[in-house]
Amino acid sequence: EAGVTQFPSHSVIEKGQTVTLRCDPISGHDNLYWYRRVMGKEIKFLLHFVKESKQDESGMPNNRFLAERTGGTYSTLKVQPAELEDSGVYFCASSQDGGASYNEQFFGPGTRLTVL
Amino acid sequence: AQSVSQHNHHVILSEAASLELGCNYSYGGTVNLFWYVQYPGQHLQLLLKYFSGDPLVKGIKGFEAEFIKSKFSFNLRKPSVQWSDTAEYFCAVNGGRSSASKIIFGSGTRLSIRP
Repeated sequence: EAGVTQFPSHSVIEKGQTVTLRCDPISGHDNLYWYRRVMGKEIKFLLHFVKESKQDESGMPNNRFLAERTGGTYSTLKVQPAELEDSGVYFCASSQDGGASYNEQFFGPGTRLTVL
Repeated sequence: AQSVSQHNHHVILSEAASLELGCNYSYGGTVNLFWYVQYPGQHLQLLLKYFSGDPLVKGIKGFEAEFIKSKFSFNLRKPSVQWSDTAEYFCAVNGGRSSASKIIFGSGTRLSIRP
């Protein structure tokens, strides 16, 4: 079974440019999450999709960040325009919809974003 | 506020030494507790979890952790570390009856094992 995949693995852009990150969850996983780790600090939650709907977007830092999950499959996270403080590693995770039972969140390898 | 605190930023041990990484959390209500590990060049992966039941949980590669509710702690232990345990370890929590809620991570502890 393929794991969570993310593209690109590394992106270097200049301040003011736009970048789009992609995440492909494990097939059949309704839950998809975006997290971010900035400069060796803690990994922080950005948002959570259940299928194509945003369940929780409380972690999105500002309106320069736009996440979509059309059709409930893969997701994109667009940063427009990028700022220096957006540099970090962006992780995607997915899990099954298990109701009251435990379902592990499986993480992708991350996209390292560097804004110059 | 919900938070996770890891006591050590960087731990250096010799092979065969015992390991204990401290973790305390602040979270209201029912909690699920996790330790994740990221080996060099690899994905973040689940080491062990506490969801309910026995507060002493065992994970992969000989790791275990104990949930002490009264102390809001979930320390990670291993009696004898190996060089291959070199990695970054993250304590984490989420809440509620479902594990689908967002995970709150600690800042991570980098473990270096001297061969």
